[in-house]
Amino acid sequence: KAGVTQTPRYLIKTRGQQVTLSCSPISGHRSVSWYQQTPGQGLQFLFEYFSETQRNKGNFPGRFSGRQFSNSRSEMNVSTLELGDSALYLCASSLGQLTDTQYFGPGTRLTVL
Amino acid sequence: SQELEQSPQSLIVQEGKNLTINCTSSKTLYGLYWYKQKYGEGLIFLMMLQKGGEEKSHEKITAKLDEKKQQSSLHITASQPSHAGIYLCGADNPGNQFYFGTGTSLTVIP
Repeated sequence: KAGVTQTPRYLIKTRGQQVTLSCSPISGHRSVSWYQQTPGQGLQFLFEYFSETQRNKGNFPGRFSGRQFSNSRSEMNVSTLELGDSALYLCASSLGQLTDTQYFGPGTRLTVL
Repeated sequence: SQELEQSPQSLIVQEGKNLTINCTSSKTLYGLYWYKQKYGEGLIFLMMLQKGGEEKSHEKITAKLDEKKQQSSLHITASQPSHAGIYLCGADNPGNQFYFGTGTSLTVIP
């Protein structure tokens, strides 16, 4: 069974731009969660989607948004990029509940210049 | 919000030595998770603990949950270079939010 895939793996943007990251969950998984990992803040929960609906949300500004498609693939969008948005963005998929075993993708490394 | 403090922040051990990583929560623990991240790679789920006193093992890694102390410990026996990486604890709360610990970087010297 293929694992969680994220594209692109690396991305360089400039301040003010917007970016869209993609996550394809493991086949059969309906929940996709997004996390931001930075050296200073560690790993922080962004949001979780289940059946195309945002079910849980962390404490991030509205510039961070996401969506999930009917095939469970998810996208995360960050608008008006700031230098502090530079981070490794991880997505994880699971069967349903946030407490179910989550399988993580390799992450997308975003650098904002 | 819930905070998870891990100690130590970093650890360097000789291959074959035992080690322990602690994760202390500022609030009641309802579910405690341990993850490992190999440098440059994604997270690997290790195990989940839900009940006070619960102890789980996976290969040479054992995790325990002390509900009263709001703490969990991860113990590695006879460490190997393959154990190197960043270990993260995570916890969820009734509000269905999920929090991660500050992380512990483990280096195992052959």
